[in-house]
Amino acid sequence: DAMVIQNPRYQVTQFGKPVTLSCSQTLNHNVMYWYQQKSSQAPKLLFHYYDKDFNNEADTPDNFQSRRPNTSFCFLDIRSPGLGDAAMYLCATSRDHQGPGTDTQYFGPGTRLTVL
Amino acid sequence: DQQVKQNSPSLSVQEGRISILNCDYTNSMFDYFLWYKKYPAEGPTFLISISSIKDKNEDGRFTVFLNKSAKHLSLHIVPSQPGDSAVYFCAARSGGGSNYKLTFGKGTLLTVNP
Repeated sequence: DAMVIQNPRYQVTQFGKPVTLSCSQTLNHNVMYWYQQKSSQAPKLLFHYYDKDFNNEADTPDNFQSRRPNTSFCFLDIRSPGLGDAAMYLCATSRDHQGPGTDTQYFGPGTRLTVL
Repeated sequence: DQQVKQNSPSLSVQEGRISILNCDYTNSMFDYFLWYKKYPAEGPTFLISISSIKDKNEDGRFTVFLNKSAKHLSLHIVPSQPGDSAVYFCAARSGGGSNYKLTFGKGTLLTVNP
């Protein structure tokens, strides 16, 4: 089945220790998104890639970086995690941005990050 | 500054009855609205959507209503089933070109009791 896969499902890191979260997709979609969702909060868009073009949200901290080496994979790097970065990180994909239907987002199950 | 608000954190209904989930928004530039459903330990899955030029969209048991003047949309589930128990997120689209984005509400936990 075509899907969005996130690894690991649970990640524990130490304060200030860099961590990388992984997302892969078999949908061959052009667009990949990273969201941060804290407890009882709305998912918040951090950034997205349209093909190789990176689009950063204005309020995304510099501590968060992303890489998309190919169509299938996208990584979220947190350079120096703080306690406030503990959250669920959701990856999503969409086929395109060309209007209703093509930009429906398909989500992975998320990676829950704990910062000690 | 929450642009998409779901003011009810939870809702409980009896099986077979109607579930009504509400969502309010503040940004007039939103042009498309979506509902996502999320089960525990899974990512959100797309449920139904509506364009800002329409006031109703129906898909089986699910109907979304949009009142643009009130900046309000609602999701109706009739009849409700226990398998509908999940968190429902309202989302609104903005942007254009290669830079569309979704803004989500905090979600409403729906519990359908047998």
